[in-house]
Amino acid sequence: EPEVTQTPSHQVTQMGQEVILRCVPISNHLYFYWYRQILGQKVEFLVSFYNNEISEKSEIFDDQFSVERPDGSNFTLKIRSTKLEDSAMYFCASSEENIQYFGAGTRLSVL
Amino acid sequence: ELKVEQNPLFLSMQEGKNYTIYCNYSTTSDRLYWYRQDPGKSLESLFVLLSNGAVKQEGRLMASLDTKARLSTLHITAAVHDLSATYFCAVDQILYNAGNMLTFGGGTRLMVKP
Repeated sequence: EPEVTQTPSHQVTQMGQEVILRCVPISNHLYFYWYRQILGQKVEFLVSFYNNEISEKSEIFDDQFSVERPDGSNFTLKIRSTKLEDSAMYFCASSEENIQYFGAGTRLSVL
Repeated sequence: ELKVEQNPLFLSMQEGKNYTIYCNYSTTSDRLYWYRQDPGKSLESLFVLLSNGAVKQEGRLMASLDTKARLSTLHITAAVHDLSATYFCAVDQILYNAGNMLTFGGGTRLMVKP
């Protein structure tokens, strides 16, 4: 069964460093998303991406964040200068129409 | 701003008992999802409710949607330990020509005791 894959599963970084989280959405899907979940809290929408551009973003998704689909398969989330409060689980999701399928997540730990 | 409230936030129940988790939301939406999350794991889609009055059942779980009341319920029948997990509801907002955006509730952590 097709699935959304995310790498790495765990990323440890120093405060102020740049990180890139990678996702391979399901191949025939058109819409791509990033969500984050701070430990013990609810899942929060970050950004949606369609037709090679951002279609919607939340207040969390500030200038430190960017997304890119550099080739036909990968979808990346970049955080330019990480802060302690960026520590969270980041989920990538993709959809063909309604139902979003989530990857296993990348746990980002900012020290 | 869409608000999604779940209750209870934590539920400890005995095996064999029944219980209901509630999900209230603040603006009109015809679509609602229920996800299950095991500790440290991803979100597993359980139910997709696409219209008012929708009811779906899978095993010991049954979900329903009342769009007029802006309420969805997840009913657990004769709970078993394997159902222990955190359950999230998520309300769907369609983005024009750009997919959809999910707003999640705070989650209900369910613990089923033998």
